[in-house]
Amino acid sequence: SYELTQPPSVSVSPGQTARITCSGDALPKQYAYWYQQKPGQAPVLVIYKDSERPSGIPERFSGSSSGTTVTLTISGVQAEDEADYYCQSADSSGTFWVFGGGTKLTVL
Amino acid sequence: EVQLLESGGGLVQPGGSLRLSCAASGFTFTGYAMSWVRQAPGKGLEWVSAISGSGGSTYYADSVKGRFTISRDNSKNTLYLQMNSLRAEDTAVYYCAHATTVTTNVLDYFDYWGQGTLVTVSS
Repeated sequence: SYELTQPPSVSVSPGQTARITCSGDALPKQYAYWYQQKPGQAPVLVIYKDSERPSGIPERFSGSSSGTTVTLTISGVQAEDEADYYCQSADSSGTFWVFGGGTKLTVL
Repeated sequence: EVQLLESGGGLVQPGGSLRLSCAASGFTFTGYAMSWVRQAPGKGLEWVSAISGSGGSTYYADSVKGRFTISRDNSKNTLYLQMNSLRAEDTAVYYCAHATTVTTNVLDYFDYWGQGTLVTVSS
């Protein structure tokens, strides 16, 4: 079955830039999406179509894609950004959807 | 405003059955695919199942195929997940999610989520 691979954890100081990667063989063919999840809450979409930002998501959140890897970048990290982040995409057939294992962002 | 309200979770013994419901409002229900996503305690998100807007196409993760059935009643704006032969590893919060497509896929991403309903499989 198809898998997306993320680092388990990323740590940054406030004001620094956090980068979270996600790798998968079908990413050159399928868009990637990113979700933020805080404890006890449902996930929230923060990036769609690799690099688009939904309304209401701060400009410090951005996404990029290169080959089989996509990256979520949070510029000027704030304490409120501490959360789990998940990438999501589809397999090459577009009929199986998968989440990455999640990355815990810690703001030091 | 899109609202998704799950119900039906609870404690069930291994081998038992449970049916989850998701009442949707705030959008044209038939116009969108819907999905179930689960999260085991302390673990990550796992896509479980999806259904097209008409209900004519259904999709399942390998971990639930043959045991779970997704369906929808478009006259009641309600999504369902019938779960049979439940196992301890099915213990999770189950989220109902509104799906959107931006390609030729039946769905691409999940832009609205319910608050989830907890299913515990234990004797």
